[in-house]
Amino acid sequence: SAVISQKPSRDICQRGTSLTIQCQVDSQVTMMFWYRQQPGQSLTLIATANQGSEATYESGFVIDKFPISRPNLTFSTLTVSNMSPEDSSIYLCSVIAGVNEQFFGPGTRLTVL
Amino acid sequence: GIQVEQSPPDLILQEGANSTLRCNFSDSVNNLQWFHQNPWGQLINLFYIPSGTKQNGRLSATTVATERYSLLYISSSQTTDSGVYFCAVEPNNAGNMLTFGGGTRLMVKP
Repeated sequence: SAVISQKPSRDICQRGTSLTIQCQVDSQVTMMFWYRQQPGQSLTLIATANQGSEATYESGFVIDKFPISRPNLTFSTLTVSNMSPEDSSIYLCSVIAGVNEQFFGPGTRLTVL
Repeated sequence: GIQVEQSPPDLILQEGANSTLRCNFSDSVNNLQWFHQNPWGQLINLFYIPSGTKQNGRLSATTVATERYSLLYISSSQTTDSGVYFCAVEPNNAGNMLTFGGGTRLMVKP
């Protein structure tokens, strides 16, 4: 398995501002992902964080809104830009470890007023 | 894309009861995982089970890949089993990316 931490664990932000979420893993991993979980909903993949190159975004998510950095094999950041109340969600990072199993961080609970 | 459907969407159990949660998926998959999301939002890995049967304490899971479904069994349920159970699949050629089902929200009453 992998031990994953996220910062901040929660935040309350004003609309129009931006928040950067950090994801730290205790070992080097090839694959890192960012997911969003809107209130009462399931998880939706935002993007794959690629080390050394631009992230790969899923349909409905764009780099200008969710810029992602992956400077090395243990760390990634997701920024939620120009926030609106619709961005209120839990944001989770995940990694692949072991055979092919995906493990999730504790999540960042974001509320936008 | 692949469709992942979980049933039932909601389930209320009395402590000590058994239950079966189901996950149907619409296409072939490389990977299937079951997660438990506790009331604090943490996703706990339960099973990595692309095929076959596994058991871990009071929980067990079976995936029949050829028929595109997986089952999660919870026996002698406890209040700490409450939360949301998610099934997630990795379609073939999806590059490790998981597609989640809608979840089963379980409440176990004392």
